[in-house]
Amino acid sequence: IVMTQSPDSLTVSLGERATINCKSSNSLLYNSNNKNYLAWYQQKPGQPPKLLIYWASTRESGVPDRFSGSGSETDFTLTISSLQAEDVALYYCLQYFGTIKTFGQGTKLEIE
Amino acid sequence: EVQLVESGGGLVQPGGSLRLSCGVSGLIFSRFWMTWVRQAPGKGLEWVANIKYDGSEENYVDSVKGRFTISRDNAKNSLYLQMNNLGVEDTAVYYCAMTTMVTLDKWGQGTQVTVSS
Repeated sequence: IVMTQSPDSLTVSLGERATINCKSSNSLLYNSNNKNYLAWYQQKPGQPPKLLIYWASTRESGVPDRFSGSGSETDFTLTISSLQAEDVALYYCLQYFGTIKTFGQGTKLEIE
Repeated sequence: EVQLVESGGGLVQPGGSLRLSCGVSGLIFSRFWMTWVRQAPGKGLEWVANIKYDGSEENYVDSVKGRFTISRDNAKNSLYLQMNNLGVEDTAVYYCAMTTMVTLDKWGQGTQVTVSS
């Protein structure tokens, strides 16, 4: 399964909305439980990735509610409703539907 | 507190071998799938391999199949990655990660592997 993120980089003003897209080459929706096997991660320089969202839209414990995930089957979106300075990072989607998991290529989020 | 600590990285010549380790503390290691993820310099994340909680199933990305072997020792709360026939394309920070709930939610800080002559 190939994961393609867009854009590769994004510049947003503080307090504005940031939107990152992730497209899968195969549906990530498992019909038996109606769940999308898609997660979002944030990675800051010199740090390991941090899980933000799983099941496409469920926020990990402790993640601020300005982060939200949406989408189904092959098209997904990570939205940061009001960008904060600490949100500058790389963002990755991950599909965990297949036996072999795959990440998107990443999106670099910067402040204008 | 859950901790994952990788070790074993270093500089190795092309064609050489290296064995990475990941020690886990703070939870019952034997209950969880474990994964290796790598990140080449300035590049994105690449899922490398995973292993079932009891060691009965292993999966590999095509680029490492036949060269890398993932294993675990539940008695020692440790995960391993034996890497053989290394190439310059294997140069990366290698992270161990675990799935305690749904997907990779606990990560180590990573260990650097450099393949160069």
